Amino acid sequence: GAGVSQSPSNKVTEKGKDVELRCDPISGHTALYWYRQRLGQGLEFLIYFQGNSAPDKSGLPSDRFSAERTGESVSTLTIQRTQQEDSAVYLCASSRRDGGPQYFGPGTRLLVL
Amino acid sequence: GDSVTQMEGPVTLSEEAFLTINCTYTATGYPSLFWYVQYPGEGLQLLLKATKADDKGSNKGFEATYRKETTSFHLEKGSVQVSDSAVYFCALLYSGAGSYQLTFGKGTKLSVIP
Repeated sequence: GAGVSQSPSNKVTEKGKDVELRCDPISGHTALYWYRQRLGQGLEFLIYFQGNSAPDKSGLPSDRFSAERTGESVSTLTIQRTQQEDSAVYLCASSRRDGGPQYFGPGTRLLVL
Repeated sequence: GDSVTQMEGPVTLSEEAFLTINCTYTATGYPSLFWYVQYPGEGLQLLLKATKADDKGSNKGFEATYRKETTSFHLEKGSVQVSDSAVYFCALLYSGAGSYQLTFGKGTKLSVIP
């Protein structure tokens, strides 16, 4: 079946603008994760959703970052008032269950000018 | 907190050479361990995993053994190919307190030359 999909694949924005990134998980996967990969760095955890439970937001770097998920489907990550240090690849992953292998999407490459 | 340390790259090998990429971890409890691979222009793919001590994960000729005594999960392949050129990430998953986030190393870039 289809893998995790993300859109847009690339986004260039001006400092101070808001951006919204989208993730479609694998059908049937109840858990969804957002990570950030800065140039030359490993992946940093941002947020985790599992079903109707309260999300784990412990990785969000500031209150400019927020994310929503509708049931067990699409998720959006919103970055308000973007800064240049927000430039990174934002990766979404999903897993069938808690603790199961996470399958990653292709990422959204964000560049803040 | 949990952390993963992998050998710094880049690593350049000739085709058919033996590969080892070292990975050690620090974690509370007993995490699951993973290797992910990112081929040029592609997304992260799960390469192999091990969920408990002494487990050996294997895939595509790659192997890694979960060593609790040395807190290590080194990636090995007996004979690399040009098509193995990629960035390899070691990661751990600790499910304490209901959190299921992966903690990644910084990645090791492997280049295999003919």
